[in-house]
Amino acid sequence: DIVMTQGALPNPVPSGESASITCQSSKSLLHSNGKTYLNWYLQRPGQSPQFLIYWMSTRASGVSDRFSGSGSGTDFTLKISRVEAEDVGVYYCQQDLEFPRTFGAGTKLELK
Amino acid sequence: QVQLQQSGAELVKPGTSVKLSCKASGYTFTSNHMNWIKQTTGQGLEWIGIINPGSGGTSYNVKFKGKATLTVDKSSSTAFMQLSSLTPEDSAVYYCARENWEGGYFDYWGQGVMVTVSS
Repeated sequence: DIVMTQGALPNPVPSGESASITCQSSKSLLHSNGKTYLNWYLQRPGQSPQFLIYWMSTRASGVSDRFSGSGSGTDFTLKISRVEAEDVGVYYCQQDLEFPRTFGAGTKLELK
Repeated sequence: QVQLQQSGAELVKPGTSVKLSCKASGYTFTSNHMNWIKQTTGQGLEWIGIINPGSGGTSYNVKFKGKATLTVDKSSSTAFMQLSSLTPEDSAVYYCARENWEGGYFDYWGQGVMVTVSS
């Protein structure tokens, strides 16, 4: 199975500042078709996860442009610019290159 | 709008089975694969398996083979997951999640159902 490892944030993050969440995969998620099969989700307190970014850097419809995804085949970053109260929650990375789909353990974002 | 409505919380005894449901609306049910995902405090998010509602074809995480059985009822646009031989380790929140047709990302999630296994 592909292991996804997420880094921690130096919480709490001051409102209006930027936050970067890292994720590393045990295998390259870069497919021969040029797409990188890495997705990001946010789970707000008491809610289901919601989809933010797919193919490493493509924002889902309706997702704020304050969220941006980047990376290589195995190292990825989700950057949140100008952090707001609604950004609080746990962020998960997930690979969909192969089965079984696997998730990172999650990175908690708290606001100061 | 796309909605996935899951059944209510379950309190079940060890050794028994439980069948969870996920009713889809707002899209053509057979156009997207449906996934099931387990969430616990200790293990985080674990992918259980996927079902193609059109064909009924399934693929499971090896860890959940023999534990979970995925089915659908096309007439009611509902996906089901049966969990068998329940133990306290099966206590968790279970989500259904639609897979986007472009790729293996989960674009819509149900609200989740808490299953508690206790005698």
